[in-house]
Amino acid sequence: TQLLEQSPQFLSIQEGENLTVYCNSSSVFSSLQWYRQEPGEGPVLLVTVVTGGEVKKLKRLTFQFGDARKDSSLHITAAQPGDTGLYLCAGAQPKLSFGAGTTVTVRA
Amino acid sequence: DTGVSQNPRHKITKRGQNVTFRCDPISEHNRLYWYRQTLGQGPEFLTYFQNEAQLEKSRLLSDRFSAERPKGSFSTLEIQRTEQGDSAMYLCASSFPYGYTFGSGTRLTVV
Repeated sequence: TQLLEQSPQFLSIQEGENLTVYCNSSSVFSSLQWYRQEPGEGPVLLVTVVTGGEVKKLKRLTFQFGDARKDSSLHITAAQPGDTGLYLCAGAQPKLSFGAGTTVTVRA
Repeated sequence: DTGVSQNPRHKITKRGQNVTFRCDPISEHNRLYWYRQTLGQGPEFLTYFQNEAQLEKSRLLSDRFSAERPKGSFSTLEIQRTEQGDSAMYLCASSFPYGYTFGSGTRLTVV
């Protein structure tokens, strides 16, 4: 059973469109991390959010951490085919508890 | 430092055989984690070490699984009497204390 719930499970969009992935939990985490994973590889850390209400921007990616530090979202603006991958959120306790992931496919 | 290194990348074994995987973490990272990931799921925590001490083990880690980190550097994960249900990607990560870095994983297939 995953401690963190991610939605949607799958997302397929056209290049240039925007997308948002959600990560929700009933637990409070000291920090929450977002990863991107490609097939056959380990997850790669995108960002760590620590403070409730925090917003971090990484080029076309915007990450939000909920005020209560239980939920987060990842928004991608003008998606590109290179954004295709499995996006995972994970809460640190200090071990990481992962969500099941959102598979994002960006069609050219 | 080239990051977290895992060997082998792929392992195919017959049911009932023992297998051992190795993880070399980033040298200055004192925490090392093992995770298992099956298709369509996020990684599931197995165990973690702080230096050479194994601080936590998941219930997923049955008696057939054992992990060591003898000198607080590299770690090994051994699975005895493998079963088909053990087929998965085994991921290692290290951190100091946050900023986790994952290896590329070992893909185990039990036939």
